[in-house]
Amino acid sequence: GENVEQHPSTLSVQEGDSAVIKCTYSDSASNYFPWYKQELGKGPQLIIDIRSNVGEKKDQRIAVTLNKTAKHFSLHITETQPEDSAVYFCAAVLEVGKLTFGQGTILTVHP
Amino acid sequence: EAGVAQSPRYKIIEKRQSVAFWCNPISGHATLYWYQQILGQGPKLLIQFQNNGVVDDSQLPKDRFSAERLKGVDSTLKIQPAKLEDSAVYLCASSTSGRGEQYFGPGTRLTVT
Repeated sequence: GENVEQHPSTLSVQEGDSAVIKCTYSDSASNYFPWYKQELGKGPQLIIDIRSNVGEKKDQRIAVTLNKTAKHFSLHITETQPEDSAVYFCAAVLEVGKLTFGQGTILTVHP
Repeated sequence: EAGVAQSPRYKIIEKRQSVAFWCNPISGHATLYWYQQILGQGPKLLIQFQNNGVVDDSQLPKDRFSAERLKGVDSTLKIQPAKLEDSAVYLCASSTSGRGEQYFGPGTRLTVT
């Protein structure tokens, strides 16, 4: 099966700085890579995703890059705001509908 | 549109007791998932339903966990008997199909003492 490693486990930045979270996956056949944001007491919410035929995708302050050769993908958040503070999870999909999650990154944005 | 509903939100039981969780997916969503999220970890898929049929239950500990989705809408997840290591948040998610975006409910936090 698929295995996803996520780093760092915690990330602390000042408001306005950029934040980068990195993930690696084990199975080169994985073809879909979503990122989720989980706030306290809530379920994960999809914030951006990328498919294996695309190298980069951007949505306002959030971008995701994928390097299929190295089997890693990254989440980039620019101009961070306090409301970006949450736990972020990467995931990879090898089989239809089957998400394998990373261990999560606790992002804290200090005002 | 209403989101995925789960109840109860919190449950505390003693080991060896039984417990059941309920999930109501988004209307019209054919695919329903149950995940286990242990503190400090990412969610782990327990079981996936397509309508009222099981698609994948390979990671469900079948000696103590069971799940059903009898009419292809609501679902229940049961643990009997519970162990200390079952303490976790149990998340339900749904999607229009197996390829669609998964929408998560708020979860049920289970504490086994």
